Amino acid sequence: EVQLVESGGGSVQPGGSLRLSCAASGFTFSNYWMHWVRQAPGKGLVWVSRINIDGSSTYYADSVKGRFTVSRDNAKNTLYLQMNSLRAEDTAVYYCARPLGDSGYDFGYWGQGTLVTVSS
Amino acid sequence: NFMLTQPHSVSESPGKTVTISCTRRSGSIASNYVQWYQQRPGSAPTIVIYEDNQRPSGVPDRFSGSIDSSSKSASLTISGLKTEDEADYYCQSYGVFGTGTKVTVL
Repeated sequence: EVQLVESGGGSVQPGGSLRLSCAASGFTFSNYWMHWVRQAPGKGLVWVSRINIDGSSTYYADSVKGRFTVSRDNAKNTLYLQMNSLRAEDTAVYYCARPLGDSGYDFGYWGQGTLVTVSS
Repeated sequence: NFMLTQPHSVSESPGKTVTISCTRRSGSIASNYVQWYQQRPGSAPTIVIYEDNQRPSGVPDRFSGSIDSSSKSASLTISGLKTEDEADYYCQSYGVFGTGTKVTVL
């Protein structure tokens, strides 16, 4: 069974940093692209970032480009999102997601999410 | 980048059929596959349609998807509505999510 478990969320002041993790199990992690998607409280879903199977290709939404970095450790079956220069508008539940197939922009499997709150 | 616009809300009675539209104003709706997600309150989204009209295993055949290039729209149809279908629904194409539709089962 595919399982994705996010961690690392919490409260941080504007301008601060946070690193989210997503532990994957139930599938061969190194064979799949991975994504981060976020959802501000009471708002819709927003795609944040994606990474290919070996981390050599990454892509970001304009709203986080230059501030967030996605990476992965295939030996640890873990996806990361390093978030720097955080802003109030980054407050959201962050989900990691896996496509149904080995690549692509569909989100067939989701974690339970981790809440990031940016506030002074 | 493009946007995907959905109606804010739709409501219908149990047993009836509801259709949610997802309109792409810029570019062709057929340029990238469209997916649909269901999100119940307090839960992560789950996929109900992928690649325009494919149902993942475990999703009831009451859920169906389609695209209409002439209207630049994708649609999700839920037939035989059940109270458990009450949720928010989002379309998605490439790295863009729709605005979301709240489905209320009266």
